[in-house]
Amino acid sequence: DIVMTQSPLSLPVTLGQPASISCRSSQSLVYSDGNTYLNWFQQRPGQSPRRLIYKVSNRDSEVPDRFSGSGSGTDFTLKISRVEAEDVGVYYCMQGTYRPYTFGQGTKLEIK
Amino acid sequence: QVTLKESGPVLVKPTETLTLTCTVSGFSLSNARMGVSWIRQPPGKALEWLAHISSNDEKSYSTSLKSRLTISKDTSKSQVVLTMTNLDPVDTATYYCSTWTKWGQGTLVTVSS
Repeated sequence: DIVMTQSPLSLPVTLGQPASISCRSSQSLVYSDGNTYLNWFQQRPGQSPRRLIYKVSNRDSEVPDRFSGSGSGTDFTLKISRVEAEDVGVYYCMQGTYRPYTFGQGTKLEIK
Repeated sequence: QVTLKESGPVLVKPTETLTLTCTVSGFSLSNARMGVSWIRQPPGKALEWLAHISSNDEKSYSTSLKSRLTISKDTSKSQVVLTMTNLDPVDTATYYCSTWTKWGQGTLVTVSS
């Protein structure tokens, strides 16, 4: 199985400041069709997860443009340009290139 | 509007079999690219992917749980069913179904005698 490793696991951020979460996979996530199926999900307290980013860098509809995804191969990053209060929660990366799909451990973002 | 809703027992005894149903609306389970996954989350812990069924009925399972899981769908009822055998207290979790773009609200299943 592909192992997804996130860092940091805890991320205290001041409102208005940027935030960055790293996600590394144990092998390349490039699929035979040329796509890289790396997703980012946000889970606010008490809510179901919500996908923010698919295929590394594509924002889902209604996702604010302060969220961006980047990376390639085995190294990926989720960035929030200016953290807002509503961004508090846990962020997960997930690879959808290979079955079984696998999630990272989650990164808890909190406001300082 | 695409929606998913999980249903099933709230409390299950150890060694019993759990059957969860995901009822979808706003799309057909036979539509290409509309697969459904089951994911669980123990209280205070991370998400864990369990199983997936594709529009063409291709199925895949978590390596560690494969022997205990079965996923199936009834297109006419717009339902995806997950069964998990031989439940243990460590299986206590909120169980979600998802198309990735949409998630259900989740259903909390507690395994206890």
